[in-house]
Amino acid sequence: QQQVKQSPQSLIVQKGGISIINCAYENTAFDYFPWYQQFPGKGPALLIAIRPDVSEKKEGRFTISFNKSAKQFSLHIMDSQPGDSATYFCAVTTQGGSEKLVFGKGTKLTVNP
Amino acid sequence: GAVVSQHPSWVICKSGTSVKIECRSLDFQATTMFWYRQFPKQSLMLMATSNEGSKATYEQGVEKDKFLINHASLTLSTLTVTSAHPEDSSFYICSATMDRGPAQYFGPGTRLLVL
Repeated sequence: QQQVKQSPQSLIVQKGGISIINCAYENTAFDYFPWYQQFPGKGPALLIAIRPDVSEKKEGRFTISFNKSAKQFSLHIMDSQPGDSATYFCAVTTQGGSEKLVFGKGTKLTVNP
Repeated sequence: GAVVSQHPSWVICKSGTSVKIECRSLDFQATTMFWYRQFPKQSLMLMATSNEGSKATYEQGVEKDKFLINHASLTLSTLTVTSAHPEDSSFYICSATMDRGPAQYFGPGTRLLVL
């Protein structure tokens, strides 16, 4: 059973546009929701994360929107740039638990110049 | 802050040999370290979780005798792929948490090619 469903699988956006990636989860015990950015041949880098006590978190051009009742969260990349072209993974975990992250399958983002 | 390194970054070995990969937290003490495997165009697959001075906890389906994990200190964990075979060729990535997490900080990965 897939605990985290991520969509779309791939996304093409023009430079300056908004990139939106969505994730849905099943287990209401999850209480920490990070997004990771991975460039080819590199390890994932923590981009931004949110806890369920807030509905939105913004860091620069990156925003997480969180809908607790719908058990969904999304990553918005404003003013997308070619340098944002990478694979993005959402993940879920429980704080104070095993600390294991459950990852989505990833979204390959391509930002055209 | 929260920098994790891995060594080597890539390794080529002959079938039947053993390969050791090091994972170090450079500027923090890692309460827990994790080892992942990633195949091309796929997500990360957790192999095992390790805490300093304790035996690693392996995920279902991961061979303990094949993938030996040693967490010798709060800044160093090693993964040894024993008697490597071509099917062990993959991208191995470690991560670490500080202060009981939950944020995980990943290393740059190690590309293993077994001939």
